[in-house]
Amino acid sequence: QVQLVQSGAEVKKPGASVKVSCKASGYTFTSYYMHWVRQAPGQGLEWMGIINPSGGSTSYAQKFQGRVTITADKSTSTAYMELSSLRSEDTAVYYCARDGIEGYWGQGTLVTVSS
Amino acid sequence: EIVLTQSPGTLSLSPGEGATLSCRASQSVSGRYLAWYQQRPGQAPRLLIYGASSRATGVPDRFSGSGSVTDFTLTISRLEPEDFAVYYCQQYGSSPLTFGQGTKVEIK
Repeated sequence: QVQLVQSGAEVKKPGASVKVSCKASGYTFTSYYMHWVRQAPGQGLEWMGIINPSGGSTSYAQKFQGRVTITADKSTSTAYMELSSLRSEDTAVYYCARDGIEGYWGQGTLVTVSS
Repeated sequence: EIVLTQSPGTLSLSPGEGATLSCRASQSVSGRYLAWYQQRPGQAPRLLIYGASSRATGVPDRFSGSGSVTDFTLTISRLEPEDFAVYYCQQYGSSPLTFGQGTKVEIK
């Protein structure tokens, strides 16, 4: 069965970077694009970007351009989302989500930015 | 960027009643690439509807989607206790993908 398992919660200081992983299993990793979506406490969903794990091409929301980097490691079927220059407003749960009509999402990773 | 506006913000209903949720786009959603998600507290979003009207695998038939161009609707025919949650629409026809702000369906 398809599973997306994300890395554990992180606490970071303002100005630092965080890298969240999303390990995929149960399907051919390179056959589906992977999205990253975040949700601040009590707020709605916000799309951050997408990667084609096959070729590594990416597309990012304008809001995160220059601060976010999404990568994929085909050898371990793992996608990564790195966000730099963290500020308190980046405190959120970060999700990976496989593209497609089946709607597979990771369990979410809470990133807390606090001094 | 396509802005999605959901209404109402909150819907207070009793189990067994029907619910109608609206999602309006600031410009045409190409290819009817509109999805609906359900999110319960502490859980990841669950895909209910894609392509504006197709139910995702395992979604009960009391959930239905309709609409096109800029106006879309999610209808829940008879609310079950597990249906009280927040619902989001999402367009995936053009980049950036965008979500509505959500409609909370709460128990009256």
